[in-house]
Amino acid sequence: AQSVTQPDIHITVSEGASLELRCNYSYGATPYLFWYVQSPGQGLQLLLKYFSGDTLVQGIKGFEAEFKRSQSSFNLRKPSVHWSDAAEYFCAVVGGNYGGSQGNLIFGKGTKLSVKP
Amino acid sequence: EAQVTQNPRYLITVTGKKLTVTCSQNMNHEYMSWYRQDPGLGLRQIYYSMNVEVTDKGDVPEGYKVSRKEKRNFPLILESPSPNQTSLYFCASSLRATAVSYNEQFFGPGTRLTVL
Repeated sequence: AQSVTQPDIHITVSEGASLELRCNYSYGATPYLFWYVQSPGQGLQLLLKYFSGDTLVQGIKGFEAEFKRSQSSFNLRKPSVHWSDAAEYFCAVVGGNYGGSQGNLIFGKGTKLSVKP
Repeated sequence: EAQVTQNPRYLITVTGKKLTVTCSQNMNHEYMSWYRQDPGLGLRQIYYSMNVEVTDKGDVPEGYKVSRKEKRNFPLILESPSPNQTSLYFCASSLRATAVSYNEQFFGPGTRLTVL
């Protein structure tokens, strides 16, 4: 079965520092991968996605992620974190097509990011 | 503005009292889906719909019903809510979500449901 692992439940970084959030997936085919952000009390906003092609993808708000097939990873990065980046971040892979429901986004359990001034 | 809307945003109810959470999208999307979010469990799919009159179960469908009579609307029905359905619910939509044509999902703002 497909799965997504986000090893870090909570990360604290200083404002201006770089950030890397880890995501590992288990999927038997070429995955569709996503990072979503959820600010407190808000819905989920898509940061970026990977479908195919260039393995380094750029997203909104200065985020980028790199797909590494050999490591089954899709880590999210930002060179300089802003206080407004404090939120919860979810990595997701599309399930389905291999026994699951169509279009089902399989989410990791999330990484909560705190930003120190 | 392109968006997915949900109503109500907050709801407190009692065990056994039927309720409906509405979801509407104005993007002419074919695919719609419901997820629930629980602490430590992330988001899990409840039901989805590939198009009008086509619905199917997700990972956690027990205790829920859905219908898709119109393309824009995808209500979630809890006919006899129980406390274990206390959760944060998200509706999502996508232009298409098939093996050969997949588009990203857009999420509504969420509905926080408490069942006493």
